[in-house]
Amino acid sequence: KAGVTQTPRYLIKTRGQQVTLSCSPISGHRSVSWYQQTPGQGLQFLFEYFSETQRNKGNFPGRFSGRQFSNSRSEMNVSTLELGDSALYLCASSLQGPQETQYFGPGTRLLVL
Amino acid sequence: KQEVTQIPAALSVPEGENLVLNCSFTDSAIYNLQWFRQDPGKGLTSLLLIQSSQREQTSGRLNASLDKSSGRSTLYIAASQPGDSATYLCAPPRRDDKIIFGKGTRLHILP
Repeated sequence: KAGVTQTPRYLIKTRGQQVTLSCSPISGHRSVSWYQQTPGQGLQFLFEYFSETQRNKGNFPGRFSGRQFSNSRSEMNVSTLELGDSALYLCASSLQGPQETQYFGPGTRLLVL
Repeated sequence: KQEVTQIPAALSVPEGENLVLNCSFTDSAIYNLQWFRQDPGKGLTSLLLIQSSQREQTSGRLNASLDKSSGRSTLYIAASQPGDSATYLCAPPRRDDKIIFGKGTRLHILP
């Protein structure tokens, strides 16, 4: 079975721009969670999608949004980028939700200049 | 609000030693607890998942224990190897499915 894939792997943007990141879960997995990882804050939960519905959301501003498609692929969007948004963005998939073993993708490293 | 603390933050030990990593959490209303490892610049790899009804879980040289009443979990690594060098994170998801990760323990095994 193919693992979780994330595209792109690296991205450089400037302040004020917007960005869309993509995550393809393991086949058959319906839950996709997104995380932001920075050296200062560590891993922080952004949101979780299941069957095209956002089930949970972390404490991030409305500039961070996401969606999930009928094939379980998910995208997250960050609008009006700030320097502090520079981070490694990770997605994880599981069959039913975060209570199960989470399978992580390699991440997208975003640099905001 | 769930707070997760991992001690120590960093650890260097000679190859072959047994070691223990600690994780403590404030909200014991959890379903289970997962331990992950992360290699530099990469995603996380799940190591062990302990159901809330279990007290420990073993996989090869790894053994994880869970004590919900005291809000603690330990990851025991036997006969450490240089390939074990990585950051180890624990994550106790709450009943509302929000996962709070610890900051991790950076482990370095000296050859």
